[in-house]
Amino acid sequence: NAGVTQTPKFRILKIGQSMTLQCTQDMNHNYMYWYRQDPGMGLKLIYYSVGAGITDKGEVPNGYNVSRSTTEDFPLRLELAAPSQTSVYFCASSTWDSWVPDTQYFGPGTRLTVL
Amino acid sequence: AQSVTQLDSHVSVSEGTPVLLRCNYSSSYSPSLFWYVQHPNKGLQLLLKYTSAATLVKGINGFEAEFKKSETSFHLTKPSAHMSDAAEYFCVVSDSDYKLSFGAGTTVTVRA
Repeated sequence: NAGVTQTPKFRILKIGQSMTLQCTQDMNHNYMYWYRQDPGMGLKLIYYSVGAGITDKGEVPNGYNVSRSTTEDFPLRLELAAPSQTSVYFCASSTWDSWVPDTQYFGPGTRLTVL
Repeated sequence: AQSVTQLDSHVSVSEGTPVLLRCNYSSSYSPSLFWYVQHPNKGLQLLLKYTSAATLVKGINGFEAEFKKSETSFHLTKPSAHMSDAAEYFCVVSDSDYKLSFGAGTTVTVRA
């Protein structure tokens, strides 16, 4: 099992450019998440998905979009990149048993800089 | 909504001495609680989790945490710190809508 994989590892964008961060998991998890991590701020939830075709906003969704066409993939789209989107982005996946969460497995992260 | 407060942003200990990382939470129902560790430039790894079974939870690498409902706390401890414990630690609480809320993190430094 590769677990959760993310590409790219690093990226520099110019203001106004767009890009897609890729996330794939091979554990057949229904639940997938995108977080951003800023220094001293912990992780903030951007978007999440409870299954293929179902997505919902998290705490900081502005400037981002997601889609979930398959169980395995959960790409994050940045439109019109801004310096405030400079951050480290983590994708994660998990299962939930009724209302009890199981372990969230994290990808290695994508370090994005917007100049 | 649930929330988490990690009471120390930075903890410095000597190798071989105990480590205590403090976490308080707020929740309107019985939550699940987690501690995750993040080594420099790495993703997050689960240390341990509490899901309404035993209140004293043992995790990997000698860490353990105690759930105290009356104090709304879930402090993380280790009896003897090792150099490899230098990392950032996150206390996490589950939400009722399939989401987790993360604390701001505690950076642990281990002195030789």
